[in-house]
Amino acid sequence: AIQMTQSPSSLSASLGDRVTITCRASQGIRNDLGWYQQKPGKAPKLLISAASTLESGVPSRFSGSGSGTDFTLTISSLQPEDFATYYCLQDYIYPPTFGQGTKVEIK
Amino acid sequence: EVQLVQSGAEVKKPGESLKISCKGSGFQFTSYWIGWVRQLPGKGLEWMAIIYPADSETRYSPSFQGQVTISADKSISTANLQWNSLKASDTAIYYCVAITGSRGYWGQGTLVTVSS
Repeated sequence: AIQMTQSPSSLSASLGDRVTITCRASQGIRNDLGWYQQKPGKAPKLLISAASTLESGVPSRFSGSGSGTDFTLTISSLQPEDFATYYCLQDYIYPPTFGQGTKVEIK
Repeated sequence: EVQLVQSGAEVKKPGESLKISCKGSGFQFTSYWIGWVRQLPGKGLEWMAIIYPADSETRYSPSFQGQVTISADKSISTANLQWNSLKASDTAIYYCVAITGSRGYWGQGTLVTVSS
């Protein structure tokens, strides 16, 4: 199975900060990676598919990059509604596998 | 619009069996893989199993192989997850997910509580 190593596991940031979350795959996965946001008590929401495609309705402050084994989710200017937990998910090989998650908290 | 509607919350005793379900609408059910994801209280997301309803091909994550059974009935666009003997450690929220091309669509979640 492909292992996804996500970092950091948590971070504290202020409104307006630029935030970067990374995921590393244990083997190459092309660009078969999605990024999800989860708020307490809610199902995860898809933000980015195919490593860098912003989903409809997702604010443009979110962006994704990477291919092969190294991937990044960037929030360019952190807003109050962005405080949540973020997960990467590879679906290059099934079953898919998640990163461990990154909890973004208010500083 | 892709929609996945899951069955309601369950409260069970250890050793009991359970089947939870997920009905899809708004998309071609047989063109997606449908999977189940576990979220233990206060923990991260774990992919358990996945099925391709068109031919019922299934894949299990190593941690869940032999612990649960995934199935699907394409005639009613429904996927299921089944336990033969629940444990207290199965207490969690379970999500179904329809996935294609790194794009996953989620159900609302089913809370399963296992307690004596």
